[in-house]
Amino acid sequence: DAGITQSPRHKVTETGTPVTLRCHQTENHRYMYWYRQDPGHGLRLIHYSYGVKDTDKGEVSDGYSVSRSKTEDFLLTLESATSSQTSVYFCAISSTGTYNEQFFGPGTRLTVL
Amino acid sequence: DAKTTQPPSMDCAEGRAANLPCNHSTISGNEYVYWYRQIHSQGPQYIIHGLKNNETNEMASLIITEDRKSSTLILPHATLRDTAVYYCIVKDTGNQFYFGTGTSLTVIP
Repeated sequence: DAGITQSPRHKVTETGTPVTLRCHQTENHRYMYWYRQDPGHGLRLIHYSYGVKDTDKGEVSDGYSVSRSKTEDFLLTLESATSSQTSVYFCAISSTGTYNEQFFGPGTRLTVL
Repeated sequence: DAKTTQPPSMDCAEGRAANLPCNHSTISGNEYVYWYRQIHSQGPQYIIHGLKNNETNEMASLIITEDRKSSTLILPHATLRDTAVYYCIVKDTGNQFYFGTGTSLTVIP
C-alpha cells in the first residue's frame, strides 16, 4: 500500500465545533486530495493540492478549508462542523505525469452530533 | 458531473470471469477511462486505466470499444475477495476524478 495515513480514524464532535483532519504521506507525491463519501453518492472531491501552498476547490468545497505547508501533510478543516458534514473522509495522493492514478488512505469516519 | 453509467449490481460465480460494463458515450478524445474498486469501507484501490487500446495487468483486463463510448472491466477468475464496488471513471488530463455510485459486484461461492 502507498504510504498514506489519516488521523484521526474516527471522530465524534458536536455541531459548531472546529475539526481538523490530517493526511500524511511518505511517497513525496505532488498532488493530494480530500474526498467525502456518503451513501448513494460515491466519492466527491472537496479540495485538492498541486504543491506546497497550492490548493484548489473541488465540487463540494463549501464549509471546508485546506492547508498544505509541507509536501507530506494536507489538512482539512471544518471551521464550524454541521450535521451535514457527517461522512467518511478519504485522502488520496498522486504523482505528476499523465498516468496520475490516485492512491487512497484508509479514511476517517466523522460524526457531527 | 456524471460521465459514466454502470449497472448498480452484478453477481458472478467464483472462478468465473466477471465482466463489468461501463457506458461513457460523451467521452472526448483526451479522456482516459480508469477503474477503481472499494472493498467494504476501505479506501478505493486503483485497478487499471486506458485511452484507446485494450490493457491488461496482473489484476484485470480493460476492453475499450473502437468508438470509445463504452468499456468492460474483466476479472478473469473471480474470487470471493473480489467482492467490492467497482467504479468506472472518465477524466481528462486534469486532476479531478468524478466517482459515480459504481457497480456492486458479489462473487458467489
